[in-house]
Amino acid sequence: GAGVSQSPRYKVAKRGQDVALRCDPISGHVSLFWYQQALGQGPEFLTYFQNEAQLDKSGLPSDRFFAERPEGSVSTLKIQRTQQEDSAVYLCASSLYTGGAEAFFGQGTRLTVV
Amino acid sequence: KQEVTQIPAALSVPEGENLVLNCSFTDSAIYNLQWFRQDPGKGLTSLLLIQSSQREQTSGRLNASLDKSSGRSTLYIAASQPGDSATYLCAVRNQAGTALIFGKGTTLSVSS
Repeated sequence: GAGVSQSPRYKVAKRGQDVALRCDPISGHVSLFWYQQALGQGPEFLTYFQNEAQLDKSGLPSDRFFAERPEGSVSTLKIQRTQQEDSAVYLCASSLYTGGAEAFFGQGTRLTVV
Repeated sequence: KQEVTQIPAALSVPEGENLVLNCSFTDSAIYNLQWFRQDPGKGLTSLLLIQSSQREQTSGRLNASLDKSSGRSTLYIAASQPGDSATYLCAVRNQAGTALIFGKGTTLSVSS
């Protein structure tokens, strides 16, 4: 596709439920990022992939958060045993190469944990 | 740890005014700096990308400058329009290229 695509756009989960959020980056983009954005705040870095390798996961808030990109294209962010504080917009971005390339963001997935 | 600060947090101006949004960062060892626009309930739209070796970039009515040594960037918007109303976010890319660190944004409101 022409841009970064994320699905679903909205997700309501009951506390304790597991969720999986999908990101389709721009075709051919090497770098992929996941961010968490709380209401009224800037995006907070979660994790970074270069192709299929997860090179930085320093922003993942707990071991309930897990991300993968097994074939170096589509990525999935999984949150286990969701809690209310996980409610946020989850943004995915991709860039053509590592380093100084422009980053392009998807529309995000709004997760609400009830 | 890199910290990015944006001032002001909110700004209201009448249509036609020129305005400046400020961004500062604590660690000058960056790969590049990128300005984004975010409309309510939407994702981020890239406006301008400045590499660490550059001083400024221009696109239409937008001009962004970068002073890496002092840890500052400004986004200049000329002849503001109501359609410019949005939240503007500044982000610096770490030197390893593995993360963009964002400020909290400046919410701009342009009245007609």
